[in-house]
Amino acid sequence: DVKVTQSSRYLVKRTGEKVFLECVQDMDHENMFWYRQDPGLGLRLIYFSYDVKMKEKGDIPEGYSVSREKKERFSLILESASTNQTSMYLCASRPLLPNQPQHFGDGTRLSIL
Amino acid sequence: AQSVTQPDIHITVSEGASLELRCNYSYGATPYLFWYVQSPGQGLQLLLKYFSGDTLVQGIKGFEAEFKRSQSSFNLRKPSVHWSDAAEYFCAVGDRSGGSYIPTFGRGTSLIVHP
Repeated sequence: DVKVTQSSRYLVKRTGEKVFLECVQDMDHENMFWYRQDPGLGLRLIYFSYDVKMKEKGDIPEGYSVSREKKERFSLILESASTNQTSMYLCASRPLLPNQPQHFGDGTRLSIL
Repeated sequence: AQSVTQPDIHITVSEGASLELRCNYSYGATPYLFWYVQSPGQGLQLLLKYFSGDTLVQGIKGFEAEFKRSQSSFNLRKPSVHWSDAAEYFCAVGDRSGGSYIPTFGRGTSLIVHP
């Protein structure tokens, strides 16, 4: 069965820390995504990767960066965490064809204190 | 730019009642259309998708959706709701026009089921 695994379900960090959120997929999908989910705002795309070492900014990339050194792994980095980055973060993967659905991880609930 | 509207933030139904969740999109051509469900504490799971063919599509858990081009809608329906259907539902639209094919999500509809 398809699996997208996010390294942590819950994470608590302090303001100013560098935070790494990891996502691994076992489906050999080309595309991977990082979203942020906040009540009333739905899913907002942070970054998208369409291949190893390739990335595109989403709707809210400020304060974030990403890394994709291997096809199966897509990391989200908060360079200097701030309290307004407290949120639920969802990773997804998808095959190359756009008519295929995304597969989501269970999310990481990140709290910045 | 494409957009997706889910006009109902919350919907409350009684168990056993029928359900319709609305989704409207703004896009020039026929897009790829998806409905996802998110149970508390979990990621999103695909319910069904449409990209061509029969405009009435069947999904998992007894859900169906109908694509209506004239109304730019892709509403999700279920004839009899179960308490376990209480969750957040998201409509998503994929772009056929080329490029990176990044889907756009609606803001979601929270379904509350009364016993």
